[in-house]
Amino acid sequence: GENVEQHPSTLSVQEGDSAVIKCTYSDSASNYFPWYKQELGKGPQLIIDIRSNVGEKKDQRIAVTLNKTAKHFSLHITETQPEDSAVYFCAASIRDSGAGSYQLTFGKGTKLSVIP
Amino acid sequence: DAGITQSPRHKVTETGTPVTLRCHQTENHRYMYWYRQDPGHGLRLIHYSYGVKDTDKGEVSDGYSVSRSKTEDFLLTLESATSSQTSVYFCAISDTTGGYEQYFGPGTRLTVT
Repeated sequence: GENVEQHPSTLSVQEGDSAVIKCTYSDSASNYFPWYKQELGKGPQLIIDIRSNVGEKKDQRIAVTLNKTAKHFSLHITETQPEDSAVYFCAASIRDSGAGSYQLTFGKGTKLSVIP
Repeated sequence: DAGITQSPRHKVTETGTPVTLRCHQTENHRYMYWYRQDPGHGLRLIHYSYGVKDTDKGEVSDGYSVSRSKTEDFLLTLESATSSQTSVYFCAISDTTGGYEQYFGPGTRLTVT
């Protein structure tokens, strides 16, 4: 099955600096890569995603890049703010052709702390 | 939380007792999922449903069963709870007609003593 590795496990940055979280995946058939933000005591919230036919996607201060050849993808947060502090999860997805659903395999998470 | 509720939000139970967690959605989405979240493991898929009465196993399905008798409800049952099933359980929904995205509920914290 799919295996997703995520680094680093913890990351501290000064407010205003950039943060980068990296993930690798093992199955070349994976074609959808979402990123989730999870605040304490809450469920994961989808913040950005990318499909395998796209190399980069940006949404305001957040961007995701995908390198299919190397099988890795990254989350970039610019101009970090204290409210960006949370645990971030990457995931990779393969479609179940029988059920038609997309099964997500998650990385183990990165705890981001933005220091004011 | 995208029209998803989970109940109960917290539960403490004893080893060997049956436990049922409920996920309810108001989005009329076709697909529903149950995940567990444990420190050091991220989120792992337990079971999922691709329609009423249509379910399949995920990565960590041993010791769990599910049922979906209505589009809006997906139940997760621990037939005989064990301490290793102490975890936070999340339900997610998706409607792949519109996209790949999965949206998560607020979670249920289960403690098995």
